[in-house]
Amino acid sequence: AQSVTQLDSQVPVFEEAPVELRCNYSSSVSVYLFWYVQYPNQGLQLLLKYLSGSTLVESINGFEAEFNKSQTSFHLRKPSVHISDTAEYFCAVTNAGGTSYGKLTFGQGTILTVHP
Amino acid sequence: EAQVTQNPRYLITVTGKKLTVTCSQNMNHEYMSWYRQDPGLGLRQIYYSMNVEVTDKGDVPEGYKVSRKEKRNFPLILESPSPNQTSLYFCASSPGTPNEQYFGPGTRLTVT
Repeated sequence: AQSVTQLDSQVPVFEEAPVELRCNYSSSVSVYLFWYVQYPNQGLQLLLKYLSGSTLVESINGFEAEFNKSQTSFHLRKPSVHISDTAEYFCAVTNAGGTSYGKLTFGQGTILTVHP
Repeated sequence: EAQVTQNPRYLITVTGKKLTVTCSQNMNHEYMSWYRQDPGLGLRQIYYSMNVEVTDKGDVPEGYKVSRKEKRNFPLILESPSPNQTSLYFCASSPGTPNEQYFGPGTRLTVT
């Protein structure tokens, strides 16, 4: 069975500082990985995804994540955060085939709070 | 406008009274799914459907039923709700895994 662990439940940071939100996963098969963002009182939106190819993936608003197969990690980073990045971030994994294909497992979420 | 709609958005009910939360998408998506969100637990998948008449259990299916009789609709049924099903529920759809999932606005359910 697949699983996801987000290592920090809350991350406070000052504006323009760098940030890293950590995500580790477990699966017996190849996986696809996602980061979703949830702004207050809204549904979730896809931030970025890793399916195959380059292990470094980027979003349009400056976030990036690196797939590390040996460490089974998919950490999210941004070199300089803005107040508007304040939100809850979810890492998610799905198997890239086999049984349970289509089943999506989310982590517990990390609340990023950016202070002025 | 491409969207996933859920109804109702808010519901307060009593233990044991059957209820249905509707979910509809207008994007002709093959894949649909239901999640519940609880503080500290993130989102947990209840059921998903790869296509019409095909449904599978997620991580927390107990106490829930679903059906997928047509592509656009994927209702969530609670035959006998209990207080531990008090939660925020999200429906989502996708052209097919592993593509981006589009989430509905959520349904906040309280079972007393």
